[in-house]
Amino acid sequence: EAGVTQFPSHSVIEKGQTVTLRCDPISGHDNLYWYRRVMGKEIKFLLHFVKESKQDESGMPNNRFLAERTGGTYSTLKVQPAELEDSGVYFCASSQTSWFSAAFFGQGTRLTVV
Amino acid sequence: SQKIEQNSEALNIQEGKTATLTCNYTNYSPAYLQWYRQDPGRGPVFLLLIRENEKEKRKERLKVTFDTTLKQSLFHITASQPADSATYLCALVPYNNNDMRFGAGTRLTVKP
Repeated sequence: EAGVTQFPSHSVIEKGQTVTLRCDPISGHDNLYWYRRVMGKEIKFLLHFVKESKQDESGMPNNRFLAERTGGTYSTLKVQPAELEDSGVYFCASSQTSWFSAAFFGQGTRLTVV
Repeated sequence: SQKIEQNSEALNIQEGKTATLTCNYTNYSPAYLQWYRQDPGRGPVFLLLIRENEKEKRKERLKVTFDTTLKQSLFHITASQPADSATYLCALVPYNNNDMRFGAGTRLTVKP
């Protein structure tokens, strides 16, 4: 069974540019989460999809971040325009519908804004 | 404000000893708590889940306890090995939604 995959694994962009991160969850997992870890800090929640609906996006830092999950399959996280403080590792995770289920993480996308 | 605190940034122990990591939380009503392992350059990997009404869970050399009165979970690795060296994260899932929130993690180093 394929795990959670994220693309790209690394991205270096200039301030002001746009970057789109992609996450392919495990097939059949309705729940999809985005997290971010910046320089030595804890993994911070960004948002949570249940199928194609945003369950909670309270962790999104500002309106430069836009997440979508069309059709309830893969998800994209777009940062536009990118700022220096957006640098960090972005993780995606997925889990099955029911409560009390483990989340499976991708390897992360390391984003560097210069 | 809501906080999840893990006892220390780093913990060094000798091979064969028991490692004990702590996760404390405030202003949460967790439905359950999970522990993850993270190696450098990788995503977190699920280890154990313990529900609010459970006191203890075991899996091979791992043991987790959950005390909702103290608002604390303890994570034990018995007979530790150098291969256990990694960062260990606790994550809480509250009753009001099923969004996981993480502690900052504890970096465990097991020395041979």
